[in-house]
Amino acid sequence: DTEVTQTPKHLVMGMTNKKSLKCEQHMGHRAMYWYKQKAKKPPELMFVYSYEKLSINESVPSRFSPECPNSSLLNLHLHALQPEDSALYLCASSQIQGASNQPQHFGDGTRLSIL
Amino acid sequence: AQSVAQPEDQVNVAEGNPLTVKCTYSVSGNPYLFWYVQYPNRGLQFLLKYITGDNLVKGSYGFEAEFNKSQTSFHLKKPSALVSDSALYFCAVRDMSTGGFKTIFGAGTRLFVKA
Repeated sequence: DTEVTQTPKHLVMGMTNKKSLKCEQHMGHRAMYWYKQKAKKPPELMFVYSYEKLSINESVPSRFSPECPNSSLLNLHLHALQPEDSALYLCASSQIQGASNQPQHFGDGTRLSIL
Repeated sequence: AQSVAQPEDQVNVAEGNPLTVKCTYSVSGNPYLFWYVQYPNRGLQFLLKYITGDNLVKGSYGFEAEFNKSQTSFHLKKPSALVSDSALYFCAVRDMSTGGFKTIFGAGTRLFVKA
């Protein structure tokens, strides 16, 4: 069982819809991440939150809007997505002290399909 | 710029035989290296890391990795492969220019273990 929980597991949405992906962890990690992963490719970093503040945005289009309401939760709000946004979206967390040598803990992802 | 390379898209091995999944890295300064495994329809799982110290690192599920500074390599090994080891393996390095929050992944190597 993974310690990072992502919901929903699957999501199908039209290009005009608004939806949100949710991620939750109770390991006390203060660094949280969103990744996008295409099939058989490595994850691509989208956003990093440290102490609930956005610290890295990898030039992600504004149709993706992250939110970190508290230290356990991370959301990704989606609006007006394009078909090429169809992918597996992974959430991860890690300890923030000595972040560079701490492993990331990943959820099982949300598989997103844009019609 | 920091990078990792996994020269093999796929590795095939018979059950019971030793396996090696190759990784080379290019970093400025000391490398913080990781191996992750991804099973179908799952997120990434941490296997092991090298930060400093012994060149042979032991990790989960009987895996180990050998850090070789002169060859800038960090190959993943297991003495006896299991069919259940079949998965996608990612080598990764931490990008220290971002405070260690950014992970750079290799392209991934698909491991097939035949019974």
